[in-house]
Amino acid sequence: DIQMTQSPSTLSASVGDRVTITCRASQSIRSWLAWYQQKPGQAPKLLIYKASTLESGVPSRFSGSGSGTEFTLTINSLQPDDFATYYCQQYDRFWTFGQGTKVEVK
Amino acid sequence: QVQLVESGGGVAQPGRSLRLSCAASGFTFSSYPMQWVRQAPGMGLEWVAVISYDGSNKYYADSVKGRFTISRDNSKNTLYLHMTGLRGEDTAVYYCARKHYEDYFDYWGRGTLVTVSS
Repeated sequence: DIQMTQSPSTLSASVGDRVTITCRASQSIRSWLAWYQQKPGQAPKLLIYKASTLESGVPSRFSGSGSGTEFTLTINSLQPDDFATYYCQQYDRFWTFGQGTKVEVK
Repeated sequence: QVQLVESGGGVAQPGRSLRLSCAASGFTFSSYPMQWVRQAPGMGLEWVAVISYDGSNKYYADSVKGRFTISRDNSKNTLYLHMTGLRGEDTAVYYCARKHYEDYFDYWGRGTLVTVSS
């Protein structure tokens, strides 16, 4: 099974900050990585797929990069609506999620 | 717009069964593979099962293999998850999700809570 490890588990930030979340795969997943945002009591929302492609309607302050085993999600100029938990997901072989990164108010 | 609405959750005793449903609308249901994903309280996301667009292929996570069955009725635009031999560790919110042809999940329902407890 492919394991996904996110860091950090929790990130404290302020509105306007630039935030970076890292996701590492236990083996190469090429670019088959997605990022989701989840708010309490809500379903996950797709942000990015194929490591760096922004889903339609997602603000351009979100960006993704990486390939192989190391990936990052960056949020430029954090907005109040961005405080949430973020998950990476590999879909190279079946599907595995990272454990999540909670972005909280500093 | 795409809508996925889960139902059928509730409290079940260990060893009992439960069937979840996911009603789909706003897209051609019979053209898309569908998934179930679950999230235990305060925990992360775990993929559970996938079914092909026509129901001919099904795959399961090891944690539910042999106990859960995914199925679909394309005439009713509905996805199902039949859960048997329920265990405490099956307690979770269960989400249905649509699988994009590139294999990621592009739409999710709001989920239904399953609690396994005596």
